[in-house]
Amino acid sequence: EVQLVESGGGLVQPGGSLRLSCTASGFFFKVYKMSWVRQAPGKGLEWVANIKQEGSEMYYVDSVKGRFTISRDNAKNSVYLQMNSLRVDDTAVYYCTRVDLWFGTYDGFDLWGQGTTVTVSS
Amino acid sequence: DIQMTQSPSSLSASLGDKVTINCRASQSIGNYLNWYQMKLGKAPKLLIYAASSLLSGVPSRFSGSGSGTDFTLTISSLQPEDFAVYYCQQSSSSPPTFGGGTKVET
Repeated sequence: EVQLVESGGGLVQPGGSLRLSCTASGFFFKVYKMSWVRQAPGKGLEWVANIKQEGSEMYYVDSVKGRFTISRDNAKNSVYLQMNSLRVDDTAVYYCTRVDLWFGTYDGFDLWGQGTTVTVSS
Repeated sequence: DIQMTQSPSSLSASLGDKVTINCRASQSIGNYLNWYQMKLGKAPKLLIYAASSLLSGVPSRFSGSGSGTDFTLTISSLQPEDFAVYYCQQSSSSPPTFGGGTKVET
């Protein structure tokens, strides 16, 4: 079955750290760019970070730059999000997503995990 | 960053209705526009990419149109499984950004 399964969410105090993991199955993981997208309570979707196929290039939304690090291990079909210096406004459901490409130019998040909840609170 | 604005934020519709959801970009994005469906407790689902291309397996009652700054998602005949929140997302430039969502309810 083609799927993404996230883990690692939980309750953490402001300033703390968490590492999210996402394991892929059912498709050739190493050929896809991967992303994390989050949804804060009562809010819309927000792209957080992505990583290219070889793991050589990573990009982040401004609000997490310097605090979050995306990485991947193609041998383990996994992508990770290391979150440091967490803030209350990082509270959200974090989704692991696959990025597909059509016609060589159009990309979109075509496969999503069920999400893992991160709560930052004292 | 490109801002995406959806309207309406919610709408009430009945089974069989034609439903139209609008999405406007703060600057021209060509046809780099995707539509997603999100149901409570379920993983979001990509419906349409490149403004009007239906992802394989998505029912043909869904369609997308538009280019530049104005886009539309249409559901031709609303089915019970279509009650959900719909998001547009631009992929023209980084960071990719989403609209605020449109809740389709009964």
